Amino acid sequence: GDSVTQMEGPVTLSEEAFLTINCTYTATGYPSLFWYVQYPGEGLQLLLKATKADDKGSNKGFEATYRKETTSFHLEKGSVQVSDSAVYFCALRGGSNYKLTFGKGTLLTVNP
Amino acid sequence: ETGVTQTPRHLVMGMTNKKSLKCEQHLGHNAMYWYKQSAKKPLELMFVYSLEERVENNSVPSRFSPECPNSSHLFLHLHTLQPEDSALYLCASSPQLGSTANYGYTFGSGTRLTVV
Repeated sequence: GDSVTQMEGPVTLSEEAFLTINCTYTATGYPSLFWYVQYPGEGLQLLLKATKADDKGSNKGFEATYRKETTSFHLEKGSVQVSDSAVYFCALRGGSNYKLTFGKGTLLTVNP
Repeated sequence: ETGVTQTPRHLVMGMTNKKSLKCEQHLGHNAMYWYKQSAKKPLELMFVYSLEERVENNSVPSRFSPECPNSSHLFLHLHTLQPEDSALYLCASSPQLGSTANYGYTFGSGTRLTVV
């Protein structure tokens, strides 16, 4: 079945550091890929998505590129801020499947 | 405002109580979902509804009882819960079930449930 593996956290960075959170997936067909963010005490918010190979999703300075050859969708940001502190979830949705499959989440803490 | 509203935000209940969680969306979505988020565990899909019909029940104990009276509202009725049921319960919606996979879900802020 479909699965998502993302790097274990927690990740702690200083403000303005470069961020990478790795995500790889296993799926049949051609899934759509998503990153969700969960701020403390809140539900999940869609951060960005990519629906086909080589697509780049971007939002709020975050980017991720759909790499079919490596089955990866790594999240990056060039300069993180304290306000980016949250849990980040990688997810996929299969081509003919309504289910959204999530990774376990990565806690990011950004210190001033 | 995410478009999906959950009430209450926090709930403390005893093991013999009966309570209900409410979820409401006015996005015109036809599919709604209940997820359980426990510490140190992946998100667990509990129930899926499409056009008020339940399409999935992921081996959830009968002490959790969902209800979808219309496509805008979803409830989770709780009774005789256990302390291990303490978690964040998230509601989500999506435009529809089906083969178009290029959209995700819209989530509510969740209900933080504590069973004492």
